[in-house]
Amino acid sequence: DTAVSQTPKYLVTQMGNDKSIKCEQNLGHDTMYWYKQDSKKFLKIMFSYNNKELIINETVPNRFSPKSPDKAHLNLHINSLELGDSAVYFCASSQSTGKNSPLHFGNGTRLTVT
Amino acid sequence: QKEVEQNSGPLSVPEGAIASLNCTYSDRGSQSFFWYRQYSGKSPELIMSIYSNGDKEDGRFTAQLNKASQYVSLLIRDSQPSDSATYLCAVNMGRGSQGNLIFGKGTKLSVKP
Repeated sequence: DTAVSQTPKYLVTQMGNDKSIKCEQNLGHDTMYWYKQDSKKFLKIMFSYNNKELIINETVPNRFSPKSPDKAHLNLHINSLELGDSAVYFCASSQSTGKNSPLHFGNGTRLTVT
Repeated sequence: QKEVEQNSGPLSVPEGAIASLNCTYSDRGSQSFFWYRQYSGKSPELIMSIYSNGDKEDGRFTAQLNKASQYVSLLIRDSQPSDSATYLCAVNMGRGSQGNLIFGKGTKLSVKP
């Protein structure tokens, strides 16, 4: 009965490959996010979707493309992986886009690009 | 530039002491503030939220907010070794009613038995 689940937990791949990370939430929340946490533990927003619509798109390379087939799912596809993409990627959800809605995080996907 | 600043630590306190974690933020119009705890190798988990000036208490945790000084803090009373983790301050700096949660780099807390 995990609230926010993402797969895979670990992803090791070579430079230039394309990979996807999947995320699902069963909390009935309207808003989902992708955050990137680098080696210095800095957690930075990448994308936010509300009810399948993109609402936040921070300065992220075009190689990163989110897709939300429905409000319970938000996937992240990464093309032409680079060494600098190595990080932990967290999916999160919140009840709404409102400022008082806290985030609930998934367990993270540790991506290592070699 | 929207920023949330925290002392990265590590902050080391003895068991039973009060741990005080501080955070400042750049956007004067920010209205909602959160503290998350992140154990090593785990995901952040929400421990406190605060929206109004003053103190908010929840068990051993007290969040303090001073919007005029753009300052938010977290006090942990009777610190336990299990409190050892990185504490992330997060401030919602979205425009209008739109949320955009900006995180600080976190303060690593170590509670020594």
